[in-house]
Amino acid sequence: EVQLVESGGGLAKPGESLRLSCAASGFTFSGAWMTWVRQAPGKGLEWVGRIKRRIDGETTDYAAPVKGRFIISRDDSKNTLYLQMISLKTDDTAVYYCATEGDWGQGTLVTVSS
Amino acid sequence: QSVLTQPPSASGTPGQRVTISCSGSSSNIGSNYVYWHQQLPGTAPKLLIYRNNQRPSGVPDRFSGSKSGTSASLAISGLRSEDEADYYCAAWDDSLSGQVFGGGTKLTVL
Repeated sequence: EVQLVESGGGLAKPGESLRLSCAASGFTFSGAWMTWVRQAPGKGLEWVGRIKRRIDGETTDYAAPVKGRFIISRDDSKNTLYLQMISLKTDDTAVYYCATEGDWGQGTLVTVSS
Repeated sequence: QSVLTQPPSASGTPGQRVTISCSGSSSNIGSNYVYWHQQLPGTAPKLLIYRNNQRPSGVPDRFSGSKSGTSASLAISGLRSEDEADYYCAAWDDSLSGQVFGGGTKLTVL
């Protein structure tokens, strides 16, 4: 059974940093392209970015609102996906989900407030 | 304003057939796969349809997806109360080099 478990969410002040993790199991993590998606309170889904698998260059793509502030990385030896968020803004407040093509995690809440 | 356009709401009675539309452009739906996700109240999204019309194992065949040109549709037949949820379409956008979502459609079962 595929499991994606996010962690690392919490309260941060504007301008601060947070790192989210997503622990994966039940599938070949190293063979998967991984994605982060967020959902602001009461709003729809918003794609944050993705990272390809190593054999595809492990390249990353980001949505315009987070480009230059967020970094997606992966550690295939730990079956873990990361989202490093810096210079956080209040607009970054959302539940952050990691996902594969077919599965979603349960999400972790990030609140950015002074 | 979402890149993919969905109606904000849809409704039907138990047993009915409901369709939800998703309109895009040549850079997204017109040239890439469409995905549909279901989000039940208070829960994480769940993949419902992938690659335009494929159902993951465990998804009932009451759910079906189709695509034509720059538009896609999700059809739900034999509507049930447990289908009440938000439904989102998604596709890769070649111009934006990113995935785009529809704004979501809230389905109410009357």
